[in-house]
Amino acid sequence: LAKTTQPISMDSYEGQEVNITCSHNNIATNDYITWYQQFPSQGPRFIIQGYKTKVTNEVASLFIPADRKSSTLSLPRVSLSDTAVYYCLVGDSGGYQKVTFGTGTKLQVIP
Amino acid sequence: NAGVTQTPKFQVLKTGQSMTLQCAQDMNHEYMSWYRQDPGMGLRLIHYSVGAGITDQGEVPNGYNVSRSTTEDFPLRLLSAAPSQTSVYFCASRKDRVGYGYTFGSGTRLTVV
Repeated sequence: LAKTTQPISMDSYEGQEVNITCSHNNIATNDYITWYQQFPSQGPRFIIQGYKTKVTNEVASLFIPADRKSSTLSLPRVSLSDTAVYYCLVGDSGGYQKVTFGTGTKLQVIP
Repeated sequence: NAGVTQTPKFQVLKTGQSMTLQCAQDMNHEYMSWYRQDPGMGLRLIHYSVGAGITDQGEVPNGYNVSRSTTEDFPLRLLSAAPSQTSVYFCASRKDRVGYGYTFGSGTRLTVV
């Protein structure tokens, strides 16, 4: 699996847009990029997945440049309830993948 | 549709005791996995299964056994508990389909004394 690098922590004020970037220089052709959110004392929750360009759902947007060596999770107008750890994962979604979560990015939203 | 159900939510074991953490899903997902999460750390894969009757080791399998006799259930057995196994354990499942992420259970907080 491709190794990922993301910031350890970020702070943001309520109402701002937050962008969390993940680097994955060794991403393979078949690899998809997936982001999860984890609140304290809960299991991670799937947010969004993409392969290239841009993907948007009701929660977030995922931007993937043409070389796919990085990706950016964009959270619009964050609220206090978006305070959580965000994990970036890269792997082959065409079959089973031994998914390993790194330490993620701890986002703290400030009032 | 309950999703992924883990029991118990909390457990205290003495060193050397054995126990089984239960995991059940009602979404007919092919893939199931067990992870452990230590304080301030990411999740590490213990064992996984790609279907009934098929299991394999993950990153940290020592001290744990699994079996998958049905699609729905994927129990994790601790053979002889050690303090190093104190952790939060998460079970997860996923469809065999692009675009679907893992659905996680709420976790079992295990303390070995």
